[in-house]
Amino acid sequence: NAGVTQTPKFRVLKTGQSMTLLCAQDMNHEYMYWYRQDPGMGLRLIHYSVGEGTTAKGEVPDGYNVSRLKKQNFLLGLESAAPSQTSVYFCASSTWTAGDTEAFFGQGTRLTVV
Amino acid sequence: LAKTTQPISMDSYEGQEVNITCSHNNIATNDYITWYQQFPSQGPRFIIQGYKTKVTNEVASLFIPADRKSSTLSLPRVSLSDTAVYYCLVGDVRGNYGQNFVFGPGTRLSVLP
Repeated sequence: NAGVTQTPKFRVLKTGQSMTLLCAQDMNHEYMYWYRQDPGMGLRLIHYSVGEGTTAKGEVPDGYNVSRLKKQNFLLGLESAAPSQTSVYFCASSTWTAGDTEAFFGQGTRLTVV
Repeated sequence: LAKTTQPISMDSYEGQEVNITCSHNNIATNDYITWYQQFPSQGPRFIIQGYKTKVTNEVASLFIPADRKSSTLSLPRVSLSDTAVYYCLVGDVRGNYGQNFVFGPGTRLSVLP
């Protein structure tokens, strides 16, 4: 049981380049989330999904797009990377059962935009 | 969306009990309280979740008073490995849970030898 797997673990981009981060979960969770975490800061919610084919904006969605074509995968795209998007990106998934909503996080993707 | 307030940092010594309090004055009827732990360079890890009174698991206890406007995470006999950032989250776990899954700055706990 792998849990939540993020690909890639590290990436360096030049300003203006595009890339896609992949998040895969094998727990059949309905909810999936993308966060960014800047040094010494808490996590900020970028986008989330409550089920296959659905996505919604979080706190800081500008500059990012997402897709959830399959229940197990949640993709985060940067169309034109900017240095301000240098951060560690975390993906998470969870169920939605009242009183039992533990979220599982991936190991993170460290992105540097130069 | 219930806003939470936690101390920015706390220090403790090995073997002591640590209590971290989170204030959430505008918590809604359907909201649950959840705590996560994060080590450097890792994603957060679920610790405990509760709705009211007291919840205990093998790692921690969560105390929630009757008015639910605050909660206290209790870590018994901490060790150096408990040094981490602890986050308190409050949100409705049904329906629009996703938009409520928002982390604040958390409490940075440092356990000293």
